[in-house]
Amino acid sequence: ILNVEQSPQSLHVQEGDSTNFTCSFPSSNFYALHWYRWETAKSPEALFVMTLNGDEKKKGRISATLNTKEGYSYLYIKGSQPEDSATYLCALPPSGSARQLTFGSGTQLTVLP
Amino acid sequence: NAGVMQNPRHLVRRRGQEARLRCSPMKGHSHVYWYRQLPEEGLKFMVYLQKENIIDESGMPKERFSAEFPKEGPSILRIQQVVRGDSAAYFCASSQTGTDTQYFGPGTRLTVL
Repeated sequence: ILNVEQSPQSLHVQEGDSTNFTCSFPSSNFYALHWYRWETAKSPEALFVMTLNGDEKKKGRISATLNTKEGYSYLYIKGSQPEDSATYLCALPPSGSARQLTFGSGTQLTVLP
Repeated sequence: NAGVMQNPRHLVRRRGQEARLRCSPMKGHSHVYWYRQLPEEGLKFMVYLQKENIIDESGMPKERFSAEFPKEGPSILRIQQVVRGDSAAYFCASSQTGTDTQYFGPGTRLTVL
C-alpha cells in the first residue's frame, strides 16, 4: 500500500502572502506525481504531472518542485488570492505499471481577504 | 471539448435498491477510472477500465459492486442492494492513451436512506 502524506492538513493565510505545502511519498519505485486543485462543489482540477527528479513546473502563480531521491514535492503559491482557496491534493500511482492514483488527504488552503 | 460528464449529480436510494452511476469520458479518452470519497475521507481508487475491459478492480468491494465500459456509451458503476455505508461521492476520471493526466468529472453524490 502506497503511503502519501500531505502537510499541513489546513492552512489559513492572508491575501498577498506566499505559501507552500508538502507531499511526502516513498522514494523507492517512483513513477510520477500529480498535483490537483479541488474547490468545494467542483471537480478536482489537474495542475501538474511531475516525473523527473529536480522537476520544476509553473502555472501562473502556482509552482511545484520534485525530489524523488528524498521523496517529497512542494507546491508554492505566490501572492495568494481568495480564489486560491481550495484543497490541494497530491497523488501517485501505486506502482510503475499502474495507472490509477493513490491520493493524499490534501492541504485545505483558505486565503483571507 | 466537453469535460468528463457524470450523471446523475445526486442520487437518492433506499436500502436494498440498485444505484447506477454513469460516466462519459472526454472525447478521445479511452481510459476510465472510478474513485469514491466516503464522508470525512479522501479519494480512494475503485476500478480502472478501458473500452470493454476491466484493467484493475483492486479497489472495488468484492460484493454488490460492478463496473463496465462498453464499446458504445458511457461507463457504468452499478451498486446492487445498496446499504447506508455506500453513501458517498463517486468520481469518474478519464485519460488518453500515452498521457498520465486524469481529468475528473463533477461526481455523483449517492445518499442511501
